[in-house]
Amino acid sequence: AQTVTQSQPEMSVQEAETVTLSCTYDTSESDYYLFWYKQPPSRQMILVIRQEAYKQQNATENRFSVNFQKAAKSFSLKISDSQLGDAAMYFCAYRSPNTGGFKTIFGAGTRLFVKA
Amino acid sequence: DVKVTQSSRYLVKRTGEKVFLECVQDMDHENMFWYRQDPGLGLRLIYFSYDVKMKEKGDIPEGYSVSREKKERFSLILESASTNQTSMYLCASSLYSNTGELFFGEGSRLTVL
Repeated sequence: AQTVTQSQPEMSVQEAETVTLSCTYDTSESDYYLFWYKQPPSRQMILVIRQEAYKQQNATENRFSVNFQKAAKSFSLKISDSQLGDAAMYFCAYRSPNTGGFKTIFGAGTRLFVKA
Repeated sequence: DVKVTQSSRYLVKRTGEKVFLECVQDMDHENMFWYRQDPGLGLRLIYFSYDVKMKEKGDIPEGYSVSREKKERFSLILESASTNQTSMYLCASSLYSNTGELFFGEGSRLTVL
């Protein structure tokens, strides 16, 4: 069965600095998608960034980028120039179109604190 | 923008009560999901539906049932609420495609006394 592991329950970063959130996953599939979702306090979860496993190039969305290491099954999220609004729970997630239907598997989450 | 609306943000129920959590999406998505979110456990899938009247069990379906009579509405039912069902419940929807992005509601925090 596929699993997603986020080993950092909490992280903190100074405003304007860079922080990296870690995620590892386990799968025997070769075709899958990886996601980072953000859940701000008392607000709905939204997609931050998505990576297709067949693409070697790391995905980037403005200040958010990933380091996707397929062989190592690692998918970390880098947030550059951190802002107060980045404070949230971040969830790493995995989905394979080949197994489990459309089920998305989530990690336990990392709570990010941003210090002014 | 996609909007997923959950009917109640906060509910307090007593043990043994029947509980209905309603979710409505306005983007004609085929797939709808109910997740449970607990600290340290992330999100765990309870049930999902890929079409009207179709449902599939997720990882933790025990004690729950679902109903999808219309494409836009997906209800989670706790037939007899128990204290271990105190949790945050998240509804999500997605297109019937391989991209798999989920659109979430704001969540329903249920407390069972």
